[in-house]
Amino acid sequence: GAGVSQSPSNKVTEKGKDVELRCDPISGHTALYWYRQSLGQGLEFLIYFQGNSAPDKSGLPSDRFSAERTGGSVSTLTIQRTQQEDSAVYLCASSWGQGNQPQHFGDGTRLSIL
Amino acid sequence: DQQVKQNSPSLSVQEGRISILNCDYTNSMFDYFLWYKKYPAEGPTFLISISSIKDKNEDGRFTVFLNKSAKHLSLHIVPSQPGDSAVYFCAAARAGSEKLVFGKGTKLTVNP
Repeated sequence: GAGVSQSPSNKVTEKGKDVELRCDPISGHTALYWYRQSLGQGLEFLIYFQGNSAPDKSGLPSDRFSAERTGGSVSTLTIQRTQQEDSAVYLCASSWGQGNQPQHFGDGTRLSIL
Repeated sequence: DQQVKQNSPSLSVQEGRISILNCDYTNSMFDYFLWYKKYPAEGPTFLISISSIKDKNEDGRFTVFLNKSAKHLSLHIVPSQPGDSAVYFCAAARAGSEKLVFGKGTKLTVNP
């Protein structure tokens, strides 16, 4: 499709397990972002990739969170040893990454930690 | 410390009337502002943006106003339609930064 694609759409896992969330950005977009939205909150920035530059990881809440982007396209967000407070909707966005360009979002992965 | 604030969690208007959604920010370094609309179980959809060098930007039924001295922006929807019912997020970015800072959103309900 033409939009940002995320998988899975829903993920339920037990506390302590590792999870991987995938994002397929819009073709040609050089910038990719991860956000999360906890219940009743706005979107919280996690990490930003721009081309081949080192990612901006300033929003990652702990060292249990990591992300990579392979080949400048698909990205994977990994959460190790999940905790209940990690439950949220994880949203990926992409953009042309040049100046004031709007970010286009996927539908998110709803993560529930039991 | 919330840098972008949407103080009204909800707003209800009649179809055909004007909807006004408000947003306040505290960081004077923000120079680019956006509004997103979000339906349940979907990602946010970009609606309209404004640069700090402007005070108004219009796109069809949607107009965004920026008051830099008051650190306030608003989104006007005229006329409102039932399909506009959604959660609206205000977002801001600093010059040279791609990170968006979001408000908590305002749920708009347009009644037929």
